[in-house]
Amino acid sequence: QLQLRESGSGLVKPSQTLSLTCAVSGGSISGDYSCTWFRQSPGKGLEWIGYIYHTGTTDYNPSLKGRVTISVDRSKNQFSLNLRSVTAADTAIYYCARGIRYFDSWGQGTLVTVSS
Amino acid sequence: EIVMTQSPATVSVSPGERVTLSCRASQSVSIHLAWYQQKSGQAPRLLIYNGSTRATGIPARFSGSGSGTEFTLTISSLQSEDFAVYYCQQYNNWPPWTFGQGTKVEVK
Repeated sequence: QLQLRESGSGLVKPSQTLSLTCAVSGGSISGDYSCTWFRQSPGKGLEWIGYIYHTGTTDYNPSLKGRVTISVDRSKNQFSLNLRSVTAADTAIYYCARGIRYFDSWGQGTLVTVSS
Repeated sequence: EIVMTQSPATVSVSPGERVTLSCRASQSVSIHLAWYQQKSGQAPRLLIYNGSTRATGIPARFSGSGSGTEFTLTISSLQSEDFAVYYCQQYNNWPPWTFGQGTKVEVK
């Protein structure tokens, strides 16, 4: 059974970079596997951050103003999310999910707090 | 951007009862709508995609219907494990994928 697990910095200082990894187990991310990142905060609900298509194509939420990068390391079966120049508004639970239209597998989520 | 609106915000239901949740899109999304269940402290779980197709392992008491701008999720006989927040999500025009604000199903 496919499992996704997010990990990374749980506390990030303002203006620094949030870095998360989504490790996939129980299956390979080769082939047509696409990964989409979301975040969820009480005030904004579920928000799309960006995705990486199985071809390597990426796209990001314009509201993040060029601060985000998503990449893949197929040798490690994992995806990565970097969000630069964070502010308190980036405090949220971050999820990775499999899919590009609807999302059938999700990581358990990781809470990232932006605070000095 | 397509806006998804769910109603009601909260519904109080007794175990064994039938409950119907609504989701409306600001423009047609054809059948490209998914429903998710989210329990406290957990990730969303896909229940329904393409408006009415149950995801793998989802019990038959969950059913989805609708197309265009109006959709419903019905739980035919609510079980204790079904108390949660339910979200609809459109994928007709993406990105962005957009979600409704959620409907909380609570114990009456």
